Amino acid sequence: GDSVTQMEGPVTLSEEAFLTINCTYTATGYPSLFWYVQYPGEGLQLLLKATKADDKGSNKGFEATYRKETTSFHLEKGSVQVSDSAVYFCALRSSSASKIIFGSGTRLSIRP
Amino acid sequence: DVKVTQSSRYLVKRTGEKVFLECVQDMDHENMFWYRQDPGLGLRLIYFSYDVKMKEKGDIPEGYSVSREKKERFSLILESASTNQTSMYLCASSSGQGLGNTIYFGEGSWLTVV
Repeated sequence: GDSVTQMEGPVTLSEEAFLTINCTYTATGYPSLFWYVQYPGEGLQLLLKATKADDKGSNKGFEATYRKETTSFHLEKGSVQVSDSAVYFCALRSSSASKIIFGSGTRLSIRP
Repeated sequence: DVKVTQSSRYLVKRTGEKVFLECVQDMDHENMFWYRQDPGLGLRLIYFSYDVKMKEKGDIPEGYSVSREKKERFSLILESASTNQTSMYLCASSSGQGLGNTIYFGEGSWLTVV
């Protein structure tokens, strides 16, 4: 079945460091891929998405490129801020299922 | 802005009690979902509904039921709460069947069963 694997956390970085959170997936057909973010005490909100191969999603300085050849959708940011501290979830939605499948989440903490 | 509202943020219930978690969305979305979130396990789908009175089991439906009598409202029911159902419950909604359609989440309900 469809699945999402993302790097385990927690990830701790200093402010202004470069961030990569790895995400790979298994799915039939051509899924849509998402990154969601959950700030402390809140629900999840969409950070970015990509709906076809080679698409790049971007928002708030974060980027992720849909790589079909490596089945990956890694999240990157060039310079993180303390306010980026949150839990990040990679997710997919494939044509074989109407639901979204989430990875286990990666907790990110940014030190001032 | 899409708003998904969960009626209770924090609940404490006793083992064996019947528990209702209510969720309302204001964007006329066809699809509604209930997930539970546990540390290290991410989000797991309990039930979802793609139309009024329609429901489908997700990955972990045991011990839960749902009700969708109106399009905007999706209720999760714990028939007889147990301590292993202590968790954060997230309601979500989305429109149509498009693969790229965003799912919008509520703020979550923290349930503790004692």
